Amino acid sequence: GAGVSQSPRYKVAKRGQDVALRCDPISGHVSLFWYQQALGQGPEFLTYFQNEAQLDKSGLPSDRFFAERPEGSVSTLKIQRTQKEDSAVYLCASSLVLLPTVNYGYTFGSGTRLTVV
Amino acid sequence: SQQGEEDPQALSIQEGENATMNCSYKTSINNLQWYRQNSGRGLVHLILIRSNEREKHSGRLRVTLDTSKKSSSLLITASRAADTASYFCGSGSRLTFGEGTQLTVNP
Repeated sequence: GAGVSQSPRYKVAKRGQDVALRCDPISGHVSLFWYQQALGQGPEFLTYFQNEAQLDKSGLPSDRFFAERPEGSVSTLKIQRTQKEDSAVYLCASSLVLLPTVNYGYTFGSGTRLTVV
Repeated sequence: SQQGEEDPQALSIQEGENATMNCSYKTSINNLQWYRQNSGRGLVHLILIRSNEREKHSGRLRVTLDTSKKSSSLLITASRAADTASYFCGSGSRLTFGEGTQLTVNP
């Protein structure tokens, strides 16, 4: 597609419910990132994939957070037993190359706004 | 934890004026990127400056980098109402961001 697509756009979950957030990166993009952005804050790194390999998951806040990209394309961020502090916008970004260059920054999706009630 | 810190946190100017935002970072970098985020949207890549560059231009944007001070600045000249957004600097392959500068350009 023309851009990074994230779904759903909005998600309301009851505390304790599991959620799955989807990211469709630009076709052919090797790198895929997930970020968590709290209201009024900058995005915080969660995890990074190079193709299907999850190379860095150091930003995942707890073992309730899990991400996968089984075929090196679509990625899913799963949050188990959601808590109120999980409420945030979850952003996905992809890049054609492994590291940013002059001509290739990261392309972000519009995010999924998760509200845990 | 945030790698970068932008200042000011908020900036309000009139259309046609220049806007300058600053960013400081903590660790050594290979490059630094600036992004814009409109309300409710994702981030849009504006410009990347390498660690061996001191200044870079792109249209109405001018970015400087001072690696000795671990700081960068973004200048938007002849601002327009459409420039109203949050601006973030990010560095590192994980692209660690600061809290951003909220720029408001009043028509």
